[in-house]
Amino acid sequence: NAGVMQNPRHLVRRRGQEARLRCSPMKGHSHVYWYRQLPEEGLKFMVYLQKENIIDESGMPKERFSAEFPKEGPSILRIQQVVRGDSAAYFCASSRGPGYGYTFGSGTRLTVV
Amino acid sequence: DAKTTQPNSMESNEEEPVHLPCNHSTISGTDYIHWYRQLPSQGPEYVIHGLTSNVNNRMASLAIAEDRKSSTLILHRATLRDAAVYYCILRSNRGGTNAGGTSYGKLTFGQGTILTVHP
Repeated sequence: NAGVMQNPRHLVRRRGQEARLRCSPMKGHSHVYWYRQLPEEGLKFMVYLQKENIIDESGMPKERFSAEFPKEGPSILRIQQVVRGDSAAYFCASSRGPGYGYTFGSGTRLTVV
Repeated sequence: DAKTTQPNSMESNEEEPVHLPCNHSTISGTDYIHWYRQLPSQGPEYVIHGLTSNVNNRMASLAIAEDRKSSTLILHRATLRDAAVYYCILRSNRGGTNAGGTSYGKLTFGQGTILTVHP
């Protein structure tokens, strides 16, 4: 039973390019959460999705960031026109629902050069 | 979100017990007390959670005060692998979102306690 799979593990993008981060939740988990961790800082909630729906996007920056969790396939966090300040570790977690624990992936480390 | 207060850092020696405290004086009736830890360069890992009664699992024990305003995570015998940032988090078991669109049940991480384990 594979855990939460995130890919790529490391991603390097030049300023202005797009970054696409993928997250495959654990089998049986239909709730996905994205978090961002800037260097030397804590984990900040970004967005909570359930299959085909965004439940809570209160932590998402207003521009350039979007997330989806389609009926088939992984959840995608997309960052358009990346800037150096987007360099961070992005973690995805999945759960069965609000009352259940989260299982986190190993993260994608985005570096913008 | 109800807030928790943890010491910034703690130190322990290998093979000794570690008691990690957490204060949560504004806890509400629907809040569960969750503990996660994050090892260097890894994603957070679930440790334990509880509501009112003390809880034990293979990783740790959770002791919850009778008034629920504080709790303590207990690692019975610290190993070098236990060196991590430990987060105490209050999490509602409610589903859905409030009027502002913020979900009740998401995990909100604070700064946590950095645990150093000495050989």
